[in-house]
Amino acid sequence: AQSVTQLGSHVSVSEGALVLLRCNYSSSVPPYLFWYVQYPNQGLQLLLKYTTGATLVKGINGFEAEFKKSETSFHLTKPSAHMSDAAEYFCAVRTESGGSNYKLTFGKGTLLTVNP
Amino acid sequence: NAGVMQNPRHLVRRRGQEARLRCSPMKGHSHVYWYRQLPEEGLKFMVYLQKENIIDESGMPKERFSAEFPKEGPSILRIQQVVRGDSAAYFCASSPLPRTNNEQFFGPGTRLTVL
Repeated sequence: AQSVTQLGSHVSVSEGALVLLRCNYSSSVPPYLFWYVQYPNQGLQLLLKYTTGATLVKGINGFEAEFKKSETSFHLTKPSAHMSDAAEYFCAVRTESGGSNYKLTFGKGTLLTVNP
Repeated sequence: NAGVMQNPRHLVRRRGQEARLRCSPMKGHSHVYWYRQLPEEGLKFMVYLQKENIIDESGMPKERFSAEFPKEGPSILRIQQVVRGDSAAYFCASSPLPRTNNEQFFGPGTRLTVL
């Protein structure tokens, strides 16, 4: 079984500061990992994903994440926060094999607040 | 190319009524997934459908919930005799193929409130 833990349900940063959103996963097989962003009353938008290959993944809006197998982590970072980054962020995992390899398992989400 | 469409966006029902949630996948997508987001929770998988087939409904509550994806028309998630605990956001996603390297594209969700 796979699971995702997002540390910190709420993160607050100042505009221009580093954004770090933490995600740890549990999976018995090599995972595919995703970060989604959800703006108020909207659906989820894919920020970035890790499948295979380079462990540092760059996404949209200046975000990036690094897959660290030894730490079972996939933390999301952005060097300089912008007011428009305020949203809820979800980490998700999907296995690359097995009969249920289409299911996304999500963390509980981290609400990012950006202060002026 | 229009994205995944869901309607209604907001739905209010009284306890005991039926709720019907609709999802039109992206053009060219024949695979639909429904997820439920309870307050302060992440999204949880409910059901995976292809045209006219339910592939995996392991995340669906055993009673009162059903889903279909007919040959023509949108996918429907139906909740009979709603209870307050059904209040949640229901998201639909679609993909062209179910392989793991295919992204699931999400709709804006239907927010169900049961009074």
